Amino acid sequence: QVQLQESGPGLVKPSETLSLTCTVSGGSISDYYWTWIRQPPGKGLQWIGYIFYIGSTKYNPSLKSRVTISADTSKKQFSLELTSVTAADTAVYYCARVTRGYSYHGVDVWGQGTTVTVSS
Amino acid sequence: DIQMTQSPSTLSASVGDRVTITCRASQTLNNYLSWFQQRPGKAPKLLIYGASSLQSGVPSRFSGSGSGTDFTLSISGLQHEDFATYYCQQSYSTPWTFGQGTKVEIK
Repeated sequence: QVQLQESGPGLVKPSETLSLTCTVSGGSISDYYWTWIRQPPGKGLQWIGYIFYIGSTKYNPSLKSRVTISADTSKKQFSLELTSVTAADTAVYYCARVTRGYSYHGVDVWGQGTTVTVSS
Repeated sequence: DIQMTQSPSTLSASVGDRVTITCRASQTLNNYLSWFQQRPGKAPKLLIYGASSLQSGVPSRFSGSGSGTDFTLSISGLQHEDFATYYCQQSYSTPWTFGQGTKVEIK
């Protein structure tokens, strides 16, 4: 049973960098896309970006200049960095696995989510 | 960006009811459409992928249909645990985008 666990600071100061790591257990990191999705308090879901296990990435253009997703296959981890944060980046951040098939992507395994608050 | 519009935003229903949620995309999706259920304080859960394929372990009372730009999620025989918020999501092109959500409430 694949499980994902987010880790990182719960409080980040404005203008600083938000850094989160997702650890994959119970399964392989290979052959999948791995994605970050966030949810501001009381609001809907926003896709941040994904990484394929070999390193290719895609980001949401609304965040592109500030976001980096990387992976360490040896540690079975992938990470999110978001620079120059503001209060608008306060959200629950989820890491998740994406399974690809013919005419579909399924975000089928999710971490429990971690709350990040941007405040001085 | 592909805009995803769900309706209704809120739906009141009773246990045993059949409910339908609609999702409309601003351009064709080639069936790259998923549905998620989210209970309060929990991560979203994948219900349907590829517009109509039921995710493993999801009860068969959930079904998805549609093509092109118009899709529906149906729940036949609503159960207590189905009262939650539902989101559609397109993965046809980046940035992947979600609908605004439909909250299914107890009538």
